[in-house]
Amino acid sequence: EAQVTQNPRYLITVTGKKLTVTCSQNMNHEYMSWYRQDPGLGLRQIYYSMNVEVTDKGDVPEGYKVSRKEKRNFPLILESPSPNQTSLYFCASSPRDGSVNTEAFFGQGTRLTVV
Amino acid sequence: AQKVTQAQTEISVVEKEDVTLDCVYETRDTTYYLFWYKQPPSGELVFLIRRNSFDEQNEISGRYSWNFQKSTSSFNFTITASQVVDSAVYFCALSEAGFQKLVFGTGTRLLVSP
Repeated sequence: EAQVTQNPRYLITVTGKKLTVTCSQNMNHEYMSWYRQDPGLGLRQIYYSMNVEVTDKGDVPEGYKVSRKEKRNFPLILESPSPNQTSLYFCASSPRDGSVNTEAFFGQGTRLTVV
Repeated sequence: AQKVTQAQTEISVVEKEDVTLDCVYETRDTTYYLFWYKQPPSGELVFLIRRNSFDEQNEISGRYSWNFQKSTSSFNFTITASQVVDSAVYFCALSEAGFQKLVFGTGTRLLVSP
């Protein structure tokens, strides 16, 4: 089954304690992205990756890091989480060829609370 | 810059009513893609439809239909004979050619009561 898997689904942490949210896809997609969802703001892109070792900032990258060492994995790293990073996070993947009739596949979401 | 506007923050209807969710977009690209996603209370994002900029044909899928009009930069979504299970937040999104980024609207919360 084609899917994007995020872990954990729920996380409560304290300010300043480093954490990683993992994301893995089994569709051999080139593109992967991280989004955060906040009330009244919709989803905003944090970082994206066009392929292995190729990453770039999205609209709200401050406070986040990513890496793409393998095609299937795209972890999101919060080196020093702060309460304003409390949010619902989604990982997404899509194939490079946007001309085919396809979609962006989203993970189940990770609800992060930073206290 | 790309932008998606969903002016309706929340809509409440009674079951079996028809409801239309509005989506207006802005882009300078000539090739782009429009999407609708459903987010039920469980939180996941469910893909509903993708429409390419060069295909203005409207689409119907069961009780769902979509009206794409490039002249007004709109991609509206209509649910016919709404059901309680349609209660969710609905997002409209726009992607440029290349698929690097989806730009989302702020979402419309639809509440269908029995």
